[in-house]
Amino acid sequence: SAVISQKPSRDICQRGTSLTIQCQVDSQVTMMFWYRQQPGQSLTLIATANQGSEATYESGFVIDKFPISRPNLTFSTLTVSNMSPEDSSIYLCSAVGSPEAFFGQGTRLTVV
Amino acid sequence: RKEVEQDPGPFNVPEGATVAFNCTYSNSASQSFFWYRQDCRKEPKLLMSVYSSGNEDGRFTAQLNRASQYISLLIRDSKLSDSATYLCVVTTTSGTYKYIFGTGTRLKVLA
Repeated sequence: SAVISQKPSRDICQRGTSLTIQCQVDSQVTMMFWYRQQPGQSLTLIATANQGSEATYESGFVIDKFPISRPNLTFSTLTVSNMSPEDSSIYLCSAVGSPEAFFGQGTRLTVV
Repeated sequence: RKEVEQDPGPFNVPEGATVAFNCTYSNSASQSFFWYRQDCRKEPKLLMSVYSSGNEDGRFTAQLNRASQYISLLIRDSKLSDSATYLCVVTTTSGTYKYIFGTGTRLKVLA
């Protein structure tokens, strides 16, 4: 199984600013995903992070708001841009193993 | 209709009880099926994969019915430590390969 290190684990940010979340996997993985989890809710897929090409976004999520990078097979970042209080949530990265998915520890974001 | 649906609960059961969770999925082309466990303020962790033939891991039994598009999880002899949210997860390849999470079912095992 893969081990994923995600940081920061939590942050409190001012509205209008941006936060970049990083995920480092201890082995090469083909697929990585980014999710959002609102309090008391399940996970909602934001996008699939594609190595060497633009991320594939789900309905309701756009690149300008959530730019994603995936420069290689072990690393990805998600930026939450121009934040508002509605962006307060837990953000999780995930990598696909064989065949289950593994998760980072999550980033608890509060926008004030 | 959501792609993966679960009864959100909460299920409050006494220690030692047997409890069953159900999950339905809408995409008949779904490929792989899992149950994940999520503790409060933690990331989801794989509990078990689900196979058509059914599979068992200690006190946990998972079943898949492809014809009815239905997945179940049975927990026998519940422990206090089983208290968590149980997430039904389905993979699809509609466009791109991805994991779809159910809403989760909360379980609380009472002493």
